[in-house]
Amino acid sequence: KAGVTQTPRYLIKTRGQQVTLSCSPISGHRSVSWYQQTPGQGLQFLFEYFSETQRNKGNFPGRFSGRQFSNSRSEMNVSTLELGDSALYLCASSQNGPAPDTQYFGPGTRLTVL
Amino acid sequence: EDKVVQSPLSLVVHEGDTVTLNCSYEVTNFRSLLWYKQEKKAPTFLFMLTSSGIEKKSGRLSSILDKKELFSILNITATQTGDSAVYLCAVSPSGGGADGLTFGKGTHLIIQP
Repeated sequence: KAGVTQTPRYLIKTRGQQVTLSCSPISGHRSVSWYQQTPGQGLQFLFEYFSETQRNKGNFPGRFSGRQFSNSRSEMNVSTLELGDSALYLCASSQNGPAPDTQYFGPGTRLTVL
Repeated sequence: EDKVVQSPLSLVVHEGDTVTLNCSYEVTNFRSLLWYKQEKKAPTFLFMLTSSGIEKKSGRLSSILDKKELFSILNITATQTGDSAVYLCAVSPSGGGADGLTFGKGTHLIIQP
């Protein structure tokens, strides 16, 4: 079974621009979560999508948004980029069945904002 | 606010040593605690713990959860250089679905040959 895939793997943008990151979950997984990882803050939860609906959201400004498509693929968008948005953005998928889940992470997109 | 604290933050040991990594947590409506290993890229799943006192084992790695004292430990025996990584602990709150995990800052483990 193929793992979680993320594109692009690396991205360089300048302040003020916007960016869209993509995540394809493991086949059969319906939940997709997004995380930001920085050296100072560690891994922080951004939001989670299930069946095209955002179910949970972390404490990030409205410049961070996302969506999920009917095939469970998800995109994350960051508008008006700031230097502090430079980070590794990780996507994780899970089946979201009735039993406690585990999330499987993709390789991440390394975003650098200049 | 949910909180996960890992200790130590970094650890350097020699190959063959046994290490114990600690994770304490405060979370509303606890569902599960997870351990991940992160080398250079994405975290890879190690264990999920939901019940107190039941040890999970995978080769040289094992982990146990204490829901009364709100902590978990991850043990690695006969360490190898390939065990060098950041070990992350995360808690999952209960809810309608796969709510966002709250992660600790991680323990950076270095195994010297």
